[in-house]
Amino acid sequence: GQNIDQPTEMTATEGAIVQINCTYQTSGFNGLFWYQQHAGEAPTFLSYNVLDGLEEKGRFSSFLSRSKGYSYLLLKELQMKDSASYLCAGLILTGGGNKLTFGTGTQLKVEL
Amino acid sequence: SAVISQKPSRDICQRGTSLTIQCQVDSQVTMMFWYRQQPGQSLTLIATANQGSEATYESGFVIDKFPISRPNLTFSTLTVSNMSPEDSSIYLCSVEGIAVSIPGGTQYFGPGTRLLVL
Repeated sequence: GQNIDQPTEMTATEGAIVQINCTYQTSGFNGLFWYQQHAGEAPTFLSYNVLDGLEEKGRFSSFLSRSKGYSYLLLKELQMKDSASYLCAGLILTGGGNKLTFGTGTQLKVEL
Repeated sequence: SAVISQKPSRDICQRGTSLTIQCQVDSQVTMMFWYRQQPGQSLTLIATANQGSEATYESGFVIDKFPISRPNLTFSTLTVSNMSPEDSSIYLCSVEGIAVSIPGGTQYFGPGTRLLVL
């Protein structure tokens, strides 16, 4: 199967750090993406992990453990504009090319 | 990243009718995809739009309901046929970006088409 699980929603305080977890139970994933989607807008690419470990990009970091089927997105110094849905997606390599399978998304609300 | 536009941006349709959604990219891309995102839900892949051949549909989606065209490397259409209220959703096209500066498999999304079926 290709199940990808994320918490449905999270709340955090401006200036704080939040970790959004993503677990997957699948064979055939060749990498893990994180996307951000503000309400009414298209998803935008945030980060990608293909190897185990931490990838850091400014205030955003993403971690992957392939053996555990686990990833997280870490957001530091939270800002109000970070209120959005965060989607993790597994990359699948097929004979016809790459495709992404998305998780259910985590709605993050940043409060004062 | 590629600039992707979709038309229409939104529409309200009567049940039983069909709507064709257009997706235009400002550069040639190999891989184009169509997704559905129902209210409060995540993205579900409908199909991969293949240039010059029939689209590859995911489980639960069929060509009769969602015919797709891909006449060239910059354009695709998705038709939602014989619509019912359950088809009310956001429909998004995406393209796979190809550049040394981005990971393979990265997709960029169009702004979406918001469809309401009455």
